[in-house]
Amino acid sequence: DSGVTQTPKHLITATGQRVTLRCSPRSGDLSVYWYQQSLDQGLQFLIQYYNGEERAKGNILERFSAQQFPDLHSELNLSSLELGDSALYFCASSPSPGNSNQPQHFGDGTRLSIL
Amino acid sequence: DAKTTQPPSMDCAEGRAANLPCNHSTISGNEYVYWYRQIHSQGPQYIIHGLKNNETNEMASLIITEDRKSSTLILPHATLRDTAVYYCIVRVAKRYGGSQGNLIFGKGTKLSVKP
Repeated sequence: DSGVTQTPKHLITATGQRVTLRCSPRSGDLSVYWYQQSLDQGLQFLIQYYNGEERAKGNILERFSAQQFPDLHSELNLSSLELGDSALYFCASSPSPGNSNQPQHFGDGTRLSIL
Repeated sequence: DAKTTQPPSMDCAEGRAANLPCNHSTISGNEYVYWYRQIHSQGPQYIIHGLKNNETNEMASLIITEDRKSSTLILPHATLRDTAVYYCIVRVAKRYGGSQGNLIFGKGTKLSVKP
């Protein structure tokens, strides 16, 4: 158990819809990272938050957004969903950003299926 | 960002040591080498990391060459449960702006442990 909690584990929805994925970081971790894993792209970094503020963006589509709340949990919002958004979405956390001597720990992911 | 090169697949007999190589010839002096593994579609699991010295924990050992251009992850007594994709990652160490320590995953090495 990594200590990172992601809900829901599975999500099935239709094209054009909007969903919210939730992540609770490990106790004491202030930084949250979101990653997407699709069959053809592998694991890709989407976005990072630290203590409520956005710190870095990766290959995140404009239809996607995220936020980190005062209690440090984070939500990834995906809108106008397309078939290609079907993927595993992972959240990871670490104590602070930029310190490369601190590993990120990953949750078990949310499997999103677009029908 | 330093890039890593890993063999796409390896086999190992159960009970034997699994030695997974990784080349990172462009690594910078302040960048750590991280190893993660992903069992089936579970979240990536942190294994070990190091900067210059060899490291050992309850899961594995990490051997880094003196010139830091390559490393080897050693699972001393592989079991069937060690069958997974193993990722060698050089951790970006920028502190301000741009990437803030997000992980860049390659294709990894698919390790198959056979009875």
